[in-house]
Amino acid sequence: GDSVTQMEGPVTLSEEAFLTINCTYTATGYPSLFWYVQYPGEGLQLLLKATKADDKGSNKGFEATYRKETTSFHLEKGSVQVSDSAVYFCALDSYNQGGKLIFGQGTELSVKP
Amino acid sequence: NAGVTQTPKFQVLKTGQSMTLQCAQDMNHNSMYWYRQDPGMGLRLIYYSASEGTTDKGEVPNGYNVSRLNKREFSLRLESAAPSQTSVYFCASSEFGAGRSTQYFGPGTRLLVL
Repeated sequence: GDSVTQMEGPVTLSEEAFLTINCTYTATGYPSLFWYVQYPGEGLQLLLKATKADDKGSNKGFEATYRKETTSFHLEKGSVQVSDSAVYFCALDSYNQGGKLIFGQGTELSVKP
Repeated sequence: NAGVTQTPKFQVLKTGQSMTLQCAQDMNHNSMYWYRQDPGMGLRLIYYSASEGTTDKGEVPNGYNVSRLNKREFSLRLESAAPSQTSVYFCASSEFGAGRSTQYFGPGTRLLVL
């Protein structure tokens, strides 16, 4: 079945460092891909999404490009802030499973001042 | 707009007890979902409701039941709680089915089953 794999955390960075969180997927068909963020004590919020190959999603300085050839959707940010500390989830919509979202296991990011 | 609200925020149950988790959305969304979040497992779909009057099983439905009471409300019931159901439960809603529109999440319910 369809699945999403993320790099394991926790990831600890200093403020202004470059961030990459890897995400790869397995899917039949052409899923849409998403990054959600969960701040401490809160629910998930959509960070960005891409609906077709080579699309780039971007929001709040974060970017991710839908790479069909490598089945990847890595999240990047050029300069992280303490306020970016959160858990990040990669997800895909699975039309083979009725259009439901399939989530990766999440990657915890901690940014130190 | 409150978005998606969930009650209670936290609950402790004993094995075998029952309870209902409540979820409501004020965005006039058609689709609603219940997920559970466990460490290292991401979010797993328990049940979803594509539209008012319909419900379908997700990845981990055993031990749960749901009711789509109306367009706004979608409740999750544990008939006989087990320690394996200790988790954080999230409700979500979207205008259309997953992938076609953004899912909006509630703040979650932390459940501890002793």
